[in-house]
Amino acid sequence: KNEVEQSPQNLTAQEGEFITINCSYSVGISALHWLQQHPGGGIVSLFMLSSGKKKHGRLIATINIQEKHSSLHITASHPRDSAVYICAARGNTGNQFYFGTGTSLTVIP
Amino acid sequence: DVKVTQSSRYLVKRTGEKVFLECVQDMDHENMFWYRQDPGLGLRLIYFSYDVKMKEKGDIPEGYSVSREKKERFSLILESASTNQTSMYLCASRGTGYFYGYTFGSGTRLTVV
Repeated sequence: KNEVEQSPQNLTAQEGEFITINCSYSVGISALHWLQQHPGGGIVSLFMLSSGKKKHGRLIATINIQEKHSSLHITASHPRDSAVYICAARGNTGNQFYFGTGTSLTVIP
Repeated sequence: DVKVTQSSRYLVKRTGEKVFLECVQDMDHENMFWYRQDPGLGLRLIYFSYDVKMKEKGDIPEGYSVSREKKERFSLILESASTNQTSMYLCASRGTGYFYGYTFGSGTRLTVV
């Protein structure tokens, strides 16, 4: 059983659509990260959350600590948003990370 | 900006070869990590280091070793490469402190033939 579950695994959207990627976790965490991995392999940290909501441009991340659930939203999606999005929960010890298997997003023009 | 540099983007090695994957970071981060990424399995921690000459096993250390002689450099070693070690290898670093996130390298895609 994975400590972090993401859904959906694959997502195809038309340009302009609103996109939601979900992440549920079963362990106690100190923070939750959303990562973006482009086809070349490089990973970029998008958000780190311990409560509430954060916004950066067209990206919004929310977390509900009681429900152990986080969502990543993309508004007005664009083909350049096509990537794999990974949810990572940082355990209470600080150096233990639990990774979701990723959501592969393709945005079609 | 923090930079984490992995020495090779693509590598092809033969079974039984000794393989070195190098990772260098330029922000004086204490913590460095090696992950492998496989389809359907996500990122899995191989080893991490929280200081020079210190190392800790991650979830899948078998078949790997690491070296951290200098703070900025963390090397992953495959003593005798096998085909099941064909994977994408990602290095990451993180500063000490509650709100530090990860910075990842661009990855090394290793193929063992």
